[in-house]
Amino acid sequence: AQSVTQLGSHVSVSEGALVLLRCNYSSSVPPYLFWYVQYPNQGLQLLLKYTSAATLVKGINGFEAEFKKSETSFHLTKPSAHMSDAAEYFCAVSGSGAGSYQLTFGKGTKLSVIP
Amino acid sequence: DAGVTQSPTHLIKTRGQQVTLRCSPKSGHDTVSWYQQALGQGPQFIFQYYEEEERQRGNFPDRFSGHQFPNYSSELNVNALLLGDSALYLCASTRQGSTEAFFGQGTRLTVV
Repeated sequence: AQSVTQLGSHVSVSEGALVLLRCNYSSSVPPYLFWYVQYPNQGLQLLLKYTSAATLVKGINGFEAEFKKSETSFHLTKPSAHMSDAAEYFCAVSGSGAGSYQLTFGKGTKLSVIP
Repeated sequence: DAGVTQSPTHLIKTRGQQVTLRCSPKSGHDTVSWYQQALGQGPQFIFQYYEEEERQRGNFPDRFSGHQFPNYSSELNVNALLLGDSALYLCASTRQGSTEAFFGQGTRLTVV
């Protein structure tokens, strides 16, 4: 069984400030981990993914995340927030083995960027 | 290159009715998954289709059924609609063996 907990349903940062969105996971098998972004009335767009290679993963739009097995965490960061980063962000987990096809999502964190 | 396309974008149905949602996967993709996203929640996995068969199913009742066609497109059918079925329904496609799922823009279903 797998689950994801995203701490903070709403995060506000000033433009140019550090963005930190938290994600903790639970998985009975080695996980694959993902961050997706959703803009209003849109589908989900993949920001980055961890699939057991490098633990520090770089994604699109300047985002990165670090897989920490000891902390069961996969927090998303960006050094400097931009107005266009305002959106909802979802962390997701899937299993890495055969038969692990579904993504299990957290409840999401809405990011607001203050000018 | 067209991405994942879903139709319709919005629809309104009455309780007890049936609905069919459609999805065309990204070119080159052969696997389609469906998710339900209730307001203020993360997407929840309904089921996945591969080689025209349901390969895995989430915790959804039998009122939710699907189909995959030889061209890899897919339908999601929901019978006996309930008010609680109101949600954004997302289709995601992948290529067998890939970890990267591409999502469509979704169908917003409102049950009144």
